[in-house]
Amino acid sequence: DAGITQSPRHKVTETGTPVTLRCHQTENHRYMYWYRQDPGHGLRLIHYSYGVKDTDKGEVSDGYSVSRSKTEDFLLTLESATSSQTSVYFCAISGRPSTDTQYFGPGTRLTVL
Amino acid sequence: AQRVTQPEKLLSVFKGAPVELKCNYSYSGSPELFWYVQYSRQRLQLLLRHISRESIKGFTADLNKGETSFHLKKPFAQEEDSAMYYCALSGLDDTGNQFYFGTGTSLTVIP
Repeated sequence: DAGITQSPRHKVTETGTPVTLRCHQTENHRYMYWYRQDPGHGLRLIHYSYGVKDTDKGEVSDGYSVSRSKTEDFLLTLESATSSQTSVYFCAISGRPSTDTQYFGPGTRLTVL
Repeated sequence: AQRVTQPEKLLSVFKGAPVELKCNYSYSGSPELFWYVQYSRQRLQLLLRHISRESIKGFTADLNKGETSFHLKKPFAQEEDSAMYYCALSGLDDTGNQFYFGTGTSLTVIP
């Protein structure tokens, strides 16, 4: 497995609370991504980053913010979690955006009650 | 708009039988197409990509631009092929680089 870790791996929280998920890489890849995986929807891109402090929105970015202050860390924040954000969240990294393989982290299972 | 369509949620084949997992896409310009696989209790990983034109674990996929398809095929399925398969597309549009995954097909190879 590429050097990608996600923390926490599991989290249960209540509606309205803030939640931050962390993705950490040791591969020095420029691009990092956050996806959510839901039954019937597959994986959907939330946000991605193309460098330190450089981020852009994906397909389902509403309700999420991200930050990347260091090459190795990409944080996903739910400012006020809702039950619709219950999902499995995957981080991925790649060297280049379009043609390179994306390497995925192990996932974080988030439950919002 | 659905960019990547995988019409089969579930697919079962017998060991040794041919298998085809369908993928159709909708995208202007020249997208890059990929197949990713997720085996039980493992991370999602790349199986193959059209730009490489390679065969991995006996699987091949041909990009058909006329039919906008990128079907995954294997002539003789093995039990270890049982997994979740995702077709994916990457491209550059007016919103920047975008990446779209299909809803996935769960393949079960029956011994």
